[in-house]
Formats: sequence, structure tokens, C-alpha cells
Amino acid sequence: LAKTTQPISMDSYEGQEVNITCSHNNIATNDYITWYQQFPSQGPRFIIQGYKTKVTNEVASLFIPADRKSSTLSLPRVSLSDTAVYYCLVGALASNDYKLSFGAGTTVTVRA
Amino acid sequence: DAGVTQSPTHLIKTRGQQVTLRCSPKSGHDTVSWYQQALGQGPQFIFQYYEEEERQRGNFPDRFSGHQFPNYSSELNVNALLLGDSALYLCASSLGLAGDSYNEQFFGPGTRLTVL
Repeated sequence: LAKTTQPISMDSYEGQEVNITCSHNNIATNDYITWYQQFPSQGPRFIIQGYKTKVTNEVASLFIPADRKSSTLSLPRVSLSDTAVYYCLVGALASNDYKLSFGAGTTVTVRA
Repeated sequence: DAGVTQSPTHLIKTRGQQVTLRCSPKSGHDTVSWYQQALGQGPQFIFQYYEEEERQRGNFPDRFSGHQFPNYSSELNVNALLLGDSALYLCASSLGLAGDSYNEQFFGPGTRLTVL
């Protein structure tokens, strides 16, 4: 199971871009990189997923270098409502060793 | 289209008691996973059910057991409750185990269990 390392917290201001980098040095060939967002007293919510290079959707971008040992979640022009905990996960659901667990996550605080 | 639903929302038990939590997956999903989230920590994988069988299990004792019904809904049972079992219990559903890609999980709002 690939272990992930993320910063514990990050502060930002409204309108800025927030970049959160996650390290996953022992990522396996079949593993995907997935990011979730969680607000207090709610279940995590899927943000974005990728395997390599760059993935972009309506809320975020995910940058994955060629060696896939790290990934960066980019949140463009954050607002106060983006204040949440962000989790980086590495795993493959179809894997026989699937035991997907979240790390401590990164608490992002957006200030006005 | 209803998402993942869980019941009850909150629950208070005392040490030694038993508890059953329930989960209904998102429409069309057939796989249910359960997570325990202690205060200030990320969710920890308990186990996953697919085709009414436990397919994967995390590092949780046998006091934690589960079941999946033919309609894909699931129950999490915890026996001999300990104070340390106090947590938010999350259910997540996804579609199948087939294929090579990671299947997105949809999480329910959770059940807050307090053990006194």
C-alpha cells in the first residue's frame, strides 16, 4: 500500500491559487492518484483523479510528473467555501491488495 | 437520484454494548466500503463488501463485522464497544471491482458514534 505524505496545513486568501503537493514514493504501477475534499461532519467528496501527466476538471487540476512519485492538486481562485481538509490517496480498487485509507490530510484555510 | 444514505445520524452507547449501523449505496452501485474516522484524523478503511461477501479488510479486530444484502445495502456491527470506538463511521459506495481503473467512491454523511 503506497504511503502518502502531505503538508498538515496551508493558509490562503480568496482569489489565490492553492497548490497541495503529495508524496507517494512507492506508488505501484496499477495505482491511481485520487484527491478528496472533506468538510466538518461530512463524508469526503471526490475532487479529481489521475494516473499520469495532467488532469483538469471544473474544480481542480492534478499534475503528476513522469516518475509518479508525487502529485500536486491545484485549486484555482479559491473562495471561503474551499476551506476544508484535502486528502491524497493512492490505490487501485481492483487490486488484490486494496485497502484504501486516508492519511491525515491537508487542512486548507481560506481567509477573506 | 439519492446518494449514499446512512442511519442513524448519531448514536450514543455505553462500553460493552453492541451497535449496528446501516448504509444504502448510491443507485446503481454494488460495492460498499466502511471507514472509521476518529476526531482530527483521516478515515481508516475497515472492510469492503461486494456480492454479499467481505472482499478486503483493514486492520480492525473481529469485533467489527459486516453484512451486505441482496439489494446492496450494508450493515456494520461492532460488538463489545470500547471508548476508543467513538468516531464518525462512513460508508462509501462504488461500482464493482472489475477493470484496472480506480472506481470513484461516493461517501455518505456518516454516523457519529459516541461510546460512554
